[in-house]
Amino acid sequence: LAKTTQPISMDSYEGQEVNITCSHNNIATNDYITWYQQFPSQGPRFIIQGYKTKVTNEVASLFIPADRKSSTLSLPRVSLSDTAVYYCLVGGGDMRFGAGTRLTVKP
Amino acid sequence: ETGVTQSPTHLIKTRGQQVTLRCSSQSGHNTVSWYQQALGQGPQFIFQYYREEENGRGNFPPRFSGLQFPNYSSELNVNALELDDSALYLCASSIRLGEKLFFGSGTQLSVL
Repeated sequence: LAKTTQPISMDSYEGQEVNITCSHNNIATNDYITWYQQFPSQGPRFIIQGYKTKVTNEVASLFIPADRKSSTLSLPRVSLSDTAVYYCLVGGGDMRFGAGTRLTVKP
Repeated sequence: ETGVTQSPTHLIKTRGQQVTLRCSSQSGHNTVSWYQQALGQGPQFIFQYYREEENGRGNFPPRFSGLQFPNYSSELNVNALELDDSALYLCASSIRLGEKLFFGSGTQLSVL
């Protein structure tokens, strides 16, 4: 199983773009990259999933370089409600969480 | 709304007791995974079931066991509870292996 490494915490301000990078050096050929968001006392919520290049949905973009050894979650124009823990997962079967990145958005 | 329901929402047990946590997934979700999340930590993978068979297991002792039923419900059983078992237990389902997970709100277990 590919291990992931993310920054423990990040701070940002409302209206800014936030980029969280995840390293996954031993990603397997069949593995997808998935990001989740979690608020206190709630289960994680799916944000975005990708395999290569760029994926965009209504809440985020996911950038994956050609070697797939890292990925970057981009949150455009964050608000206070985006304060949460963000997890990067890599896998094709069971999904295992790391410690995540605690994002704090300040006014 | 994820369509995943867990019960009970809160539970208090004493050390040495046994507990069963329940999860109801959406119809058609063939995989269910269980996670343990201690305060301030990421969810730790306990095990996953796919079409009623265990598909993967994390680093948890055998006293953690599970079942998945044909009606898309599942159970997590923990025997001989220890104080360190106090945590939020999360159930997550997906249609197929590796696809996005839909999480329930969890069961907060306190072991005294």
